[in-house]
Amino acid sequence: AQKITQTQPGMFVQEKEAVTLDCTYDTSDPSYGLFWYKQPSSGEMIFLIYQGSYDQQNATEGRYSLNFQKARKSANLVISASQLGDSAMYFCAMREGWGAQKLVFGQGTRLTINP
Amino acid sequence: GAGVSQSPSNKVTEKGKDVELRCDPISGHTALYWYRQSLGQGLEFLIYFQGNSAPDKSGLPSDRFSAERTGGSVSTLTIQRTQQEDSAVYLCASSMGLARETQYFGPGTRLLVL
Repeated sequence: AQKITQTQPGMFVQEKEAVTLDCTYDTSDPSYGLFWYKQPSSGEMIFLIYQGSYDQQNATEGRYSLNFQKARKSANLVISASQLGDSAMYFCAMREGWGAQKLVFGQGTRLTINP
Repeated sequence: GAGVSQSPSNKVTEKGKDVELRCDPISGHTALYWYRQSLGQGLEFLIYFQGNSAPDKSGLPSDRFSAERTGGSVSTLTIQRTQQEDSAVYLCASSMGLARETQYFGPGTRLLVL
C-alpha cells in the first residue's frame, strides 16, 4: 500500500489565486512528521513546511500553510496568492517515528502558474 | 553556512563501469541520507547514516550499491557494474538528528549509464 498518495499529477492555476495540493498518508505509528518540498526545474529539493503528528495547530510558513486533518490522514499544502515562481513539482513526504528516519515521498504534483 | 554539496553534478558512464558519487553534508549535521529519483518519479530512499550507529541499508536496490561515511562527515555512494536502469538523479540530504527533523537536500548528481 502507498504510504503517501498525491492524487493530482498536474494542476494549473491563475497567478494570485490560492491553490491546494492534496496529500494523504498511511501509517500506524502515532509519532510521525509530514513535509512538503518544492522541486523547480533546476532539480533542487527545497523544504517548505513541516507538521508533526502531535502538533495542535496547522503549520504556517509565509504563503504556505498545511491543512492537517489527522483523522482523515490528510496533509494538504495551501499556497496563498500564487506567483509565477511557484511553478514547480511539489512533493509530500512522511517520516515515521522521531529523529533521523528515512522519508517516504509521494509521486508529486506538477503545479503551473499561468499569468 | 554552506548547504549540502554533491559531486560530480553530472556523470556519464558506460554500462559495466563503477561510479562513485560524493556528498558533503551541512557542518554539524549528524544524519546523512541518500535517495534516488528516476525520471519523472518521486524520491526513493537508499541508505542513511546517523552518528556512529550502523547505517540503515534497507533501500539499497542490489548488492552493486554500497555507501560509506568517513569521519562522520563526507559520504560516498558507489555503484559497481552500472546498468542502464541505474540512470537517475542521486540526491543526498543531511539533518541534525533531532526529534523534529528536517532534511536538507543537495543539488544532486545526474547519472547517465549508456
